[in-house]
Amino acid sequence: KNEVEQSPQNLTAQEGEFITINCSYSVGISALHWLQQHPGGGIVSLFMLSSGKKKHGRLIATINIQEKHSSLHITASHPRDSAVYICAVRMNYGGSQGNLIFGKGTKLSVKP
Amino acid sequence: DAGVTQSPTHLIKTRGQQVTLRCSPKSGHDTVSWYQQALGQGPQFIFQYYEEEERQRGNFPDRFSGHQFPNYSSELNVNALLLGDSALYLCASSLVPGANTGELFFGEGSRLTVL
Repeated sequence: KNEVEQSPQNLTAQEGEFITINCSYSVGISALHWLQQHPGGGIVSLFMLSSGKKKHGRLIATINIQEKHSSLHITASHPRDSAVYICAVRMNYGGSQGNLIFGKGTKLSVKP
Repeated sequence: DAGVTQSPTHLIKTRGQQVTLRCSPKSGHDTVSWYQQALGQGPQFIFQYYEEEERQRGNFPDRFSGHQFPNYSSELNVNALLLGDSALYLCASSLVPGANTGELFFGEGSRLTVL
């Protein structure tokens, strides 16, 4: 079993729809990252969370530490949101910055 | 302000050869981490460099080695290439390892194909 599980693996939505991507993890973490990867390969950091909720534009990320679960929401989705969304957790590492463990990603396609 | 830059962007090698990939971190960052991303998979942690030393290492064989220079740039070397080493190699930079804060900054990656 992977330490970081994302669902769904693939998601197709119509423009304007509300989208939710889920991430569950099984290890103790110090932080969780949501990342966006476009077909060219480059990765952009969207959020870093250690508790609660963050919002940036149409994107909202939440985390429940007790349940080891995080969600990424996209409101009023747009074709330019089409990308792979990756959840990554940073391990606890004796106070230092532990390495990241990544989920396999959720491929989102938003149709006009 | 230049972000994380990686070179080369694409390269093709044959089995048994050696490859060197390069990464310049974002200005002000002193920690560089390398990741391997196979097609359709999430990235896998290779190792992290800080103060010119390897600080953490993932589950990769000794064929994978690295270096960090005084200007914080870094190299990833892979010896005796195997077909399975074909992947996108990503570099990410951050501030000191002990600071669990801030965003991650990734380069665009180096896509290695081993024939």
